[in-house]
Amino acid sequence: EVHLVESGGGLVQPGGSLRLSCTGSGFIFSRSWMTWVRQAPGKGLEWVANINQDASSRHYVGSVQGRFAISRDNAKNSAYLQMNSLRVEDTAVYYCMVKYDVGGWGQGTLVTVSS
Amino acid sequence: QAVVTQEPSLTVSPGDTVTLTCGSNTGAVTSGHYPHWFQRKPGQAPRTLIYATSSKYSWTPARFSGSLLGGKAALTLSGAQPEDEAEYYCLLAYYGVGEVFGGGTKVTVL
Repeated sequence: EVHLVESGGGLVQPGGSLRLSCTGSGFIFSRSWMTWVRQAPGKGLEWVANINQDASSRHYVGSVQGRFAISRDNAKNSAYLQMNSLRVEDTAVYYCMVKYDVGGWGQGTLVTVSS
Repeated sequence: QAVVTQEPSLTVSPGDTVTLTCGSNTGAVTSGHYPHWFQRKPGQAPRTLIYATSSKYSWTPARFSGSLLGGKAALTLSGAQPEDEAEYYCLLAYYGVGEVFGGGTKVTVL
């Protein structure tokens, strides 16, 4: 069974930083693209970033470009989202997700950006 | 950035069939966009129902199916059940750029 666990969320002031982690099990992590998705209060799902199997390809939604960085450590079956220069509008539940034939989601971690 | 459009809401009677669509402002949706469909119920993490246009998972109820229809991706629910009441999101991949979710369709089973 596919299992994804996010951690690292919390309350941070505008301009601050957080690092989210996602650890996977039940699938071959090193063969999977990893994706971060967020959902702000009262809003729909928003794709944030993804990273390919060997970290040679990374993509970001425009609103986080230059502020967020996605990475992975296949030895630890983990993906990360380093979030810098956080803004109030980054407040959301952040999910990691695996697409295609794996099809798994984590339970999400809440990030609140507020003074 | 591309914009992906979905019907904001649809109402279906139990046992009826409904089709949700997912379009792109960049042109026709093709298999190259690898359309995915997700179900989201309140208080739960999203669940993936369909990947790569029409492929299902072991947990995908047989009444859900995916296809391409009239230049859009489509999710068809054949024989709606009360437990299918949820929000449904599509996700399209844009090569070399990233991915975009649609705004979601709220399905009410009444």
